[in-house]
Amino acid sequence: SQTIHQWPATLVQPVGSPLSLECTVEGTSNPNLYWYRQAAGRGLQLLFYSVGIGQISSEVPQNLSASRPQDRQFILSSKKLLLSDSGFYLCAWGPGGARGIQYFGAGTRLSVL
Amino acid sequence: AQSVTQLGSHVSVSEGALVLLRCNYSSSVPPYLFWYVQYPNQGLQLLLKYTSAATLVKGINGFEAEFKKSETSFHLTKPSAHMSDAAEYFCAAALSSGSARQLTFGSGTQLTVLP
Repeated sequence: SQTIHQWPATLVQPVGSPLSLECTVEGTSNPNLYWYRQAAGRGLQLLFYSVGIGQISSEVPQNLSASRPQDRQFILSSKKLLLSDSGFYLCAWGPGGARGIQYFGAGTRLSVL
Repeated sequence: AQSVTQLGSHVSVSEGALVLLRCNYSSSVPPYLFWYVQYPNQGLQLLLKYTSAATLVKGINGFEAEFKKSETSFHLTKPSAHMSDAAEYFCAAALSSGSARQLTFGSGTQLTVLP
């Protein structure tokens, strides 16, 4: 069966520090991968998605970036965090070619102070 | 462009009462539809999915949803609420044509179950 791992679960970072969140998927190949952000009391905002290694699509301009160095690894990064980057970050995967279904990781709670 | 609307950002029901969470979609092509549940500080868990087979879809934890094309709706129901159902629920839609690689989410409904 497929599983998705996301870490860390909680992160507290000072403004201006770098960020690296990692997500890996097991039990499948060539998945579609997604990063979402959920601000307090808000819905889900799609940040990035990837349909293959090195292929990243950005949905929202911001100081975040994403990379997919391996088939089942998706990384969310920032060189300098802003206060507004605080939120709950969710990674998700979907079977390539399937009709949109996505499975989510447990999320990372990021607090930028 | 497709959109998903969840009517009622907060819904309260008594334990044992019917749960009804409303979702309407806007799309020229009937989409694939999903309901997800999110407990505090957790990721989203898939409750059920509609993929153009049976219009009445049964999911986990006793939830079900009915796709009504004429009403462009996909409401989520459960006959008897349990305290453990308290969570946030998201309706989502994916087009059945095109890239279909993205979901459009509703803004969520927070369900409170009163004892």
